Amino acid sequence: GAVVSQHPSRVICKSGTSVKIECRSLDFQATTMFWYRQFPKKSLMLMATSNEGSKATYEQGVEKDKFLINHASLTLSTLTVTSAHPEDSSFYICSASAGLLQHFGDGTRLSIL
Amino acid sequence: DAKTTQPTSMDCAEGRAANLPCNHSTISGNEYVYWYRQIHSQGPQYIIHGLKNNETNEMASLIITEDRKSSTLILPHATLRDTAVYYCIAAEGGNKLVFGAGTILRVKS
Repeated sequence: GAVVSQHPSRVICKSGTSVKIECRSLDFQATTMFWYRQFPKKSLMLMATSNEGSKATYEQGVEKDKFLINHASLTLSTLTVTSAHPEDSSFYICSASAGLLQHFGDGTRLSIL
Repeated sequence: DAKTTQPTSMDCAEGRAANLPCNHSTISGNEYVYWYRQIHSQGPQYIIHGLKNNETNEMASLIITEDRKSSTLILPHATLRDTAVYYCIAAEGGNKLVFGAGTILRVKS
């Protein structure tokens, strides 16, 4: 089946630093990639949708200058959390789509101290 | 995207069939019914999807009512590894998925 790799799986960093998370579709070309975040015991919340070569579309309430998304190729999208603060600590999950289905990565647990 | 309604939680005995219901009474004609599940601290795993007809794959069966207002996911022989949160989502193919609270399925020995 389709495989989506997300890296890193876990990151701990100091407040004020920027963190980059990569999402790769390993065996298919993804026309669209999605980024979600999930707080403990809550459901996934869509942050943004990105199409290769164009600007991401952010959901209402998501700061585009805070969460920078780059979708440079059909197999790679990155999410950069800029000037991260403790309230940005969360589980970030990407998905990649080519056609009807979305395939999800295993998530990145981000902890900001 | 149409809203879906699922029970908060369900229990199932190991080896028995698990039947998870979902209501999507406002689903539109071009929206599919997708089922994903999420095991703790992992990304969601695709299970099955359908438009009008019932579907079956190696993981599960999906039964969609004729009026498409509800569906049931069937895990024919539940195992302990099937314990997870199960999400039913109505969405147009390839479009963003809006996750609700899902159903917590606990498989017990």
